[in-house]
Amino acid sequence: NAGVTQTPKFQVLKTGQSMTLQCAQDMNHEYMSWYRQDPGMGLRLIHYSVGAGITDQGEVPNGYNVSRSTTEDFPLRLLSAAPSQTSVYFCASSLGRAGSTDTQYFGPGTRLTVL
Amino acid sequence: AQTVTQSQPEMSVQEAETVTLSCTYDTSESDYYLFWYKQPPSRQMILVIRQEAYKQQNATENRFSVNFQKAAKSFSLKISDSQLGDAAMYFCAYRSGGSNYKLTFGKGTLLTVNP
Repeated sequence: NAGVTQTPKFQVLKTGQSMTLQCAQDMNHEYMSWYRQDPGMGLRLIHYSVGAGITDQGEVPNGYNVSRSTTEDFPLRLLSAAPSQTSVYFCASSLGRAGSTDTQYFGPGTRLTVL
Repeated sequence: AQTVTQSQPEMSVQEAETVTLSCTYDTSESDYYLFWYKQPPSRQMILVIRQEAYKQQNATENRFSVNFQKAAKSFSLKISDSQLGDAAMYFCAYRSGGSNYKLTFGKGTLLTVNP
């Protein structure tokens, strides 16, 4: 198993550009999520999905879109990048099993810089 | 909404000694889970230890153990026989029970291990 994979590892954008951060998992996990990590802020939830076709907003969703057409993939789209979106982005997944610890596994992260 | 507080932005320990990282949380729920994640310079988020709130026994994983005080809403991490490889950012995280899989993170504690 590759676990949770993210591409690209690094990206530099200009203000106003759009891009998609890719996330995939091969563990047949139902739950997937995106976090952003900023210095001194910990990780904050952007969007999440409890299964194919189902997505919902987290704590900081503005400026980001997601979709979940398959169980394996959960891309994060920046429609018009802003400098405030400069951050490290993590994708995570878990079984999505109620009543258990349901450990989340994280991808290696994408460092995004918006100029 | 739940909050997680890590009051120590930075900690240091001598190699082979013991260090305790603090975490407190605020919740009105009775069913929840608590986690400690480690983030080394590689940026990868690694699960260190987890605790179910309904369990009175403190979780232990090799040199890592927790002191879970449910009434005080405290969840500290003890690292025994510290090693140079333990140097990392440590995050405390909270998840509600049931079918809510969202993680709420603290802001992290940067642990330095001195040789």
